[in-house]
Amino acid sequence: EDQVTQSPEALRLQEGESSSLNCSYTVSGLRGLFWYRQDPGKGPEFLFTLYSAGEEKEKERLKATLTKKESFLHITAPKPEDSATYLCAVRPRGFQKLVFGTGTRLLVSP
Amino acid sequence: EAQVTQNPRYLITVTGKKLTVTCSQNMNHEYMSWYRQDPGLGLRQIYYSMNVEVTDKGDVPEGYKVSRKEKRNFPLILESPSPNQTSLYFCATRSGGSTDTQYFGPGTRLTVL
Repeated sequence: EDQVTQSPEALRLQEGESSSLNCSYTVSGLRGLFWYRQDPGKGPEFLFTLYSAGEEKEKERLKATLTKKESFLHITAPKPEDSATYLCAVRPRGFQKLVFGTGTRLLVSP
Repeated sequence: EAQVTQNPRYLITVTGKKLTVTCSQNMNHEYMSWYRQDPGLGLRQIYYSMNVEVTDKGDVPEGYKVSRKEKRNFPLILESPSPNQTSLYFCATRSGGSTDTQYFGPGTRLTVL
């Protein structure tokens, strides 16, 4: 069964305190791994797509990496506006859907 | 501006009263999908559509119907809503090709009493 597990469930950081969020996955063939940001009461906002182990993508203070079993979202020197829930999802090869994890709630305090 | 719109954004209804949640996109995407989001369960796919008149079940289709008569619209229909369908619903579209990226609408919060 295709499955995505994210950890930690919640993370509290001080402004400027770098950290990483983890996404472990089991999938019957990976078409792609996706990271989204979700603010309260809003739809998920696309951040990154990763397709193969070793791939990395960056956007401002965020960097996503991928191995054969997990992905990390590294947050460098976060700011309060980075506070959100970060969702990880995989698209199994041959399927027309995303399988989501339950997310990591990030709170960055000034 | 590229957009996925949903209406209504909030809805409180009673058990058994048929309702429709609309989804519209202006990106000319062929693929559209509906998800529901519940605490502790994440987002789960309800139905998807690869193109006009082509729809298929996702992981949790029971109690829902969809139709795709036009490329831009993909309404979600609850013929006889029940309290276990209280949830946050998202419509999503995908650009296809090599990008694979799904874009989500703003969500519809549904409460069934």
